[in-house]
Amino acid sequence: EDKVVQSPLSLVVHEGDTVTLNCSYEVTNFRSLLWYKQEKKAPTFLFMLTSSGIEKKSGRLSSILDKKELFSILNITATQTGDSAIYLCAVEARSNAGKSTFGDGTTLTVKP
Amino acid sequence: NAGVTQTPKFQVLKTGQSMTLQCAQDMNHNSMYWYRQDPGMGLRLIYYSASEGTTDKGEVPNGYNVSRLNKREFSLRLESAAPSQTSVYFCASSGATGRYGYTFGSGTRLTVV
Repeated sequence: EDKVVQSPLSLVVHEGDTVTLNCSYEVTNFRSLLWYKQEKKAPTFLFMLTSSGIEKKSGRLSSILDKKELFSILNITATQTGDSAIYLCAVEARSNAGKSTFGDGTTLTVKP
Repeated sequence: NAGVTQTPKFQVLKTGQSMTLQCAQDMNHNSMYWYRQDPGMGLRLIYYSASEGTTDKGEVPNGYNVSRLNKREFSLRLESAAPSQTSVYFCASSGATGRYGYTFGSGTRLTVV
């Protein structure tokens, strides 16, 4: 059974801080790892990673995958209050017809 | 706006009542999914449809049924609601390559009393 564990479960920082969110996984026949941001409503897609060591970057957010050690990190630099959200990590296996297994999420609170 | 549309946004049911959650996407995606999200937990897959005409069980299918009516629409039915089904339900869809992950609907907050 596929499994995704995120840490920490929650995090409180101040504006301007840098944060690192962790995601470890177990999946048979790995295809991809995905990060989503969930504010008040539905999750929105951030990154999809398939290859080890290649950083994906979007503004102040970046993510990298380590397929040997089975984990990924999501970095947010110079945090803003608008970064407050639940960050979800998910994995997809090649045999799963697009199904994703999600972790429980990390709740990030950024204080002014 | 293109995307995934879910109805209703809120619903309160009495134990034993039935209801259908509707979902439609206009992005020409093949795959559609129903997830539930409980407080402090991630998303758990209820059912999915890899393509029109096919449906399969996910991690937590008990108490639910689904219908993939056509390529656009994928509905979720609760035949006899139970308090344990109180949750937020999300419909999602994804394209053939999956490069952009899922596109989610805005969710249905269901309370069973």
